[in-house]
Amino acid sequence: GAVVSQHPSWVICKSGTSVKIECRSLDFQATTMFWYRQFPKQSLMLMATSNEGSKATYEQGVEKDKFLINHASLTLSTLTVTSAHPEDSSFYICSARDPDRGDSSPLHFGNGTRLTVT
Amino acid sequence: GQNIDQPTEMTATEGAIVQINCTYQTSGFNGLFWYQQHAGEAPTFLSYNVLDGLEEKGRFSSFLSRSKGYSYLLLKELQMKDSASYLCAVKGSNYQLIWGAGTKLIIKP
Repeated sequence: GAVVSQHPSWVICKSGTSVKIECRSLDFQATTMFWYRQFPKQSLMLMATSNEGSKATYEQGVEKDKFLINHASLTLSTLTVTSAHPEDSSFYICSARDPDRGDSSPLHFGNGTRLTVT
Repeated sequence: GQNIDQPTEMTATEGAIVQINCTYQTSGFNGLFWYQQHAGEAPTFLSYNVLDGLEEKGRFSSFLSRSKGYSYLLLKELQMKDSASYLCAVKGSNYQLIWGAGTKLIIKP
């Protein structure tokens, strides 16, 4: 089945630094990838839709200058949390679906990245 | 507006059956997904319904009624490892997924 790989699994960084998270589709080409954030005991919140070769689409309330998304190839999207603050500490998950499997193909998720900003 | 409702938490006994309901009100409908999410992990796909009726996959089944805006996930022969959150997600008119808040299922011996 379709596999999405996300790296790193966890990261601890100091306040004010930037962190890059990578998301790769391993056995399919993804023109679109989705970045979610999940706070403890809460549901998934879509942050942005990453589009290969064009600008990402951000959800309302998500700062595009703080959460930089780059989708430079059909198998790789990156999310960079810039000038991280403790309130950015969360579980970040990327996902993608295989477009060749039709509308019924589900979103496949990476294993997530737990970010802790100290 | 768009809304998906699921119970916040349910408790069931190992070996029993549990039904997790999901009701939705969305602008358009292009399918409904159920995902399982263990604590601290990413969601994993369980089932997909786009037509009315029951889809069975081993111990898990999912039902959809589009006219009622209603779905349920049925888990049989519950095992301790089934303790997790179960997320209902609807693909709306723009094919974006709208997520429910999830149902935390607690399995007791």
